Amino acid sequence: VIWMTQSPSLLSASTGDRVIISCRMSQGISSYLAWYQQKPGKAPELLIYAASTLQSGVPSRFSGSGSGTDFTLTISCLQSEDFATYYCQQYYSFPHTFGQGTKLEIK
Amino acid sequence: QVQLVQSGAEVKKPGASVKVSCKASGYTFTSYGISWVRQAPGQGLEWMGWISAYNGNTNYAQKLQGRVTMTTDTSTSTAYMELRSLRSDDTAVYYCARGSSGWCDYWGQGTLVTVSS
Repeated sequence: VIWMTQSPSLLSASTGDRVIISCRMSQGISSYLAWYQQKPGKAPELLIYAASTLQSGVPSRFSGSGSGTDFTLTISCLQSEDFATYYCQQYYSFPHTFGQGTKLEIK
Repeated sequence: QVQLVQSGAEVKKPGASVKVSCKASGYTFTSYGISWVRQAPGQGLEWMGWISAYNGNTNYAQKLQGRVTMTTDTSTSTAYMELRSLRSDDTAVYYCARGSSGWCDYWGQGTLVTVSS
């Protein structure tokens, strides 16, 4: 099983800020990582796959980077609709584990 | 457009079983797999397992082995997840999601399963 450490668990920021969320793996996973956004009461939505490929329709202020064991999700110029919870997921090997989540709240 | 529509909320007693359906439309069902993910109240996402809609191959989370079965019906483009011997900590929203290469690009709306005596 690949263990994931997602940080921070809670992030306070303001509209217009740039934020970075981190995901660290217990072993290398190449670029087999996805990022999701989830708003309260809704299903998660795919933002990024293959560590850095933006899903169609996702705003360009979202970007992903990393490979191996260390990955980041960057949101530049936060908008009001970006305040949500974010999850990373590895799909290098089964089980396709999720990170613990990062709640992005308004400061 | 791709849609995954799940069955409605369920209330079950401890020890019972539940079967959640996920009807797919807008794409070739057998070209993708279906992942199942659950989320307990106030908690994060938990990957439960994956099934290939092409050949029925499955992979389940270790902690659910023996209690969960995932199947598909290609004639109706529907995936099913059955969970047996329900416990109170199985109370969660259960999601199906489309994916073949690992990531989940389309999700169902979720099905709340409540386990309570």
